[in-house]
Amino acid sequence: SAVISQKPSRDICQRGTSLTIQCQVDSQVTMMFWYRQQPGQSLTLIATANQGSEATYESGFVIDKFPISRPNLTFSTLTVSNMSPEDSSIYLCSVGGGGLNYGYTFGSGTRLTVV
Amino acid sequence: DQQVKQNSPSLSVQEGRISILNCDYTNSMFDYFLWYKKYPAEGPTFLISISSIKDKNEDGRFTVFLNKSAKHLSLHIVPSQPGDSAVYFCAAIVAAGNKLTFGGGTRVLVKP
Repeated sequence: SAVISQKPSRDICQRGTSLTIQCQVDSQVTMMFWYRQQPGQSLTLIATANQGSEATYESGFVIDKFPISRPNLTFSTLTVSNMSPEDSSIYLCSVGGGGLNYGYTFGSGTRLTVV
Repeated sequence: DQQVKQNSPSLSVQEGRISILNCDYTNSMFDYFLWYKKYPAEGPTFLISISSIKDKNEDGRFTVFLNKSAKHLSLHIVPSQPGDSAVYFCAAIVAAGNKLTFGGGTRVLVKP
């Protein structure tokens, strides 16, 4: 299965600023996914990022708040813009595991605290 | 609308005994169901999956059972080991959409 390097692993940011999270995959993948896990909550899909096209956002998430780049088949970034304390969460990227079992691989996550 | 639910937020079990984690879903279009394990400060790790056309899948100490009529699945871990202490997420996917829908998670504590 793919190996994902995600950074930063954690950050503490001032409200009103932006943070860009990077995910690097060790193999080419078509689809990359970005998730958010708020404190004590489950994982919620933010958007699906395909190379060469605009990301597809889930209900409740908008491009102005969470712009995504996907410049090639091994890399993607998620920016959390104009942050507020409500954005304090763990953000994770994920790629498909291949095969029929849909065992998607996740990055180690970025723990974001907004103060 | 929570399509995948894990109604037990936590579970405590003695080492060597069986852990049973439950998951319910509402969307009959789900094609595959998956279980993930998550340690603190790490991303979820895929454990085992089951196709909607099967009722059981086994991999070592982990067995997943699917009851389609009840829209219910369970994960059995036997024997439980202290290293199994983690949060377990149930997830489901409609194959054509390629996106996972997660349950709320169950925190498992295996006591030595």
